[in-house]
Amino acid sequence: GQNIDQPTEMTATEGAIVQINCTYQTSGFNGLFWYQQHAGEAPTFLSYNVLDGLEEKGRFSSFLSRSKGYSYLLLKELQMKDSASYLCAVLDSNYQLIWGAGTKLIIKP
Amino acid sequence: GAVVSQHPSWVICKSGTSVKIECRSLDFQATTMFWYRQFPKQSLMLMATSNEGSKATYEQGVEKDKFLINHASLTLSTLTVTSAHPEDSSFYICSAREGAPMETQYFGPGTRLLVL
Repeated sequence: GQNIDQPTEMTATEGAIVQINCTYQTSGFNGLFWYQQHAGEAPTFLSYNVLDGLEEKGRFSSFLSRSKGYSYLLLKELQMKDSASYLCAVLDSNYQLIWGAGTKLIIKP
Repeated sequence: GAVVSQHPSWVICKSGTSVKIECRSLDFQATTMFWYRQFPKQSLMLMATSNEGSKATYEQGVEKDKFLINHASLTLSTLTVTSAHPEDSSFYICSAREGAPMETQYFGPGTRLLVL
């Protein structure tokens, strides 16, 4: 079966750095997406990785290792507004998006 | 760019009535639109995928006669929940994709449905 694992919940301090991991086992791979979802709102796109390596976009970076079936989202200089759920999703060989359950990130002052 | 709107944002209705939710891509042509539902503290569950001008493809376990999807144009898809019941109460979210499957899906703001 297809499976995406991410931690259920993480806590971090304002101004710090946090890394949210995602491991996947899917039938084929055509890219990995990270989305941010604030409570009661729809997801918003953060990043897309299809090649190995690190993609940096402002305070957020996303890393992919296809051989390990692993990705992480790195958030720097955390702000209170970063409190949200972070969803990892993999595009499989049929171009279906397989969604993780999401990681709830709690930022404390 | 890449804005998706959804209407209405909130619906409260009586059991047995039908509810229509609209999803529009405002600044791009969406060849493919997706409908999801999400229960509290759970991840997104894909209900169906629709391509403009063709019938929607429903995920296993989703009743196509209950959740009618019409993708009438490249900028509009509608989801009609027919004969709604309290267990249909959920957060319904649409997303739209402009071109190839590896293109990003952009999400609408979602519709909260409460069936009394």
